[in-house]
Amino acid sequence: SAVISQKPSRDICQRGTSLTIQCQVDSQVTMMFWYRQQPGQSLTLIATANQGSEATYESGFVIDKFPISRPNLTFSTLTVSNMSPEDSSIYLCSVFSGGSSYNEQFFGPGTRLTVL
Amino acid sequence: QKEVEQNSGPLSVPEGAIASLNCTYSDRGSQSFFWYRQYSGKSPELIMSIYSNGDKEDGRFTAQLNKASQYVSLLIRDSQPSDSATYLCAVNLNNDMRFGAGTRLTVKP
Repeated sequence: SAVISQKPSRDICQRGTSLTIQCQVDSQVTMMFWYRQQPGQSLTLIATANQGSEATYESGFVIDKFPISRPNLTFSTLTVSNMSPEDSSIYLCSVFSGGSSYNEQFFGPGTRLTVL
Repeated sequence: QKEVEQNSGPLSVPEGAIASLNCTYSDRGSQSFFWYRQYSGKSPELIMSIYSNGDKEDGRFTAQLNKASQYVSLLIRDSQPSDSATYLCAVNLNNDMRFGAGTRLTVKP
């Protein structure tokens, strides 16, 4: 399994500011995923980050609001821009581990964001 | 129809009982199936993977897959209070992982 770390683990931010979340994996991976999980809800995929190409965003999520960087095969950042209280959520980084269509997906510990 | 459906619960079982969690999926081409456990305030943790029809056992956990019925289940034997969590069903098709909304399980001492 992959070992994933995220920074920060939690933060409280003011409306209108931005927060960058870092994700570090202990092995090289092709795809990294960013999810959001709002209180009491299931996981919502924000975007898929591939090294060397633009991130692919899911419906309802745009690059201006959630810019993503993927400078190498072990690291990615997600920025939550111009935050509002509706952005309060847990943000999770995730990767596949394995080389076949039977890949298992693992999650980082999450970043708990509260926007005031 | 949602791609992956689970009963939201809450499902409540007494300690020592069998907890049965169910999941159905819509894409018949789905290739691999997973159960995650998520404690409150924590990230999802992979507990079971199953790829072919039948049962797969790991300790107190048994995953069951029926591709013809597009049905996946998780049985937890001898349930413990520490099993109280939300259980997410996930289905993978070509590295496109789809998650259910989760079933909240409470095991009462």
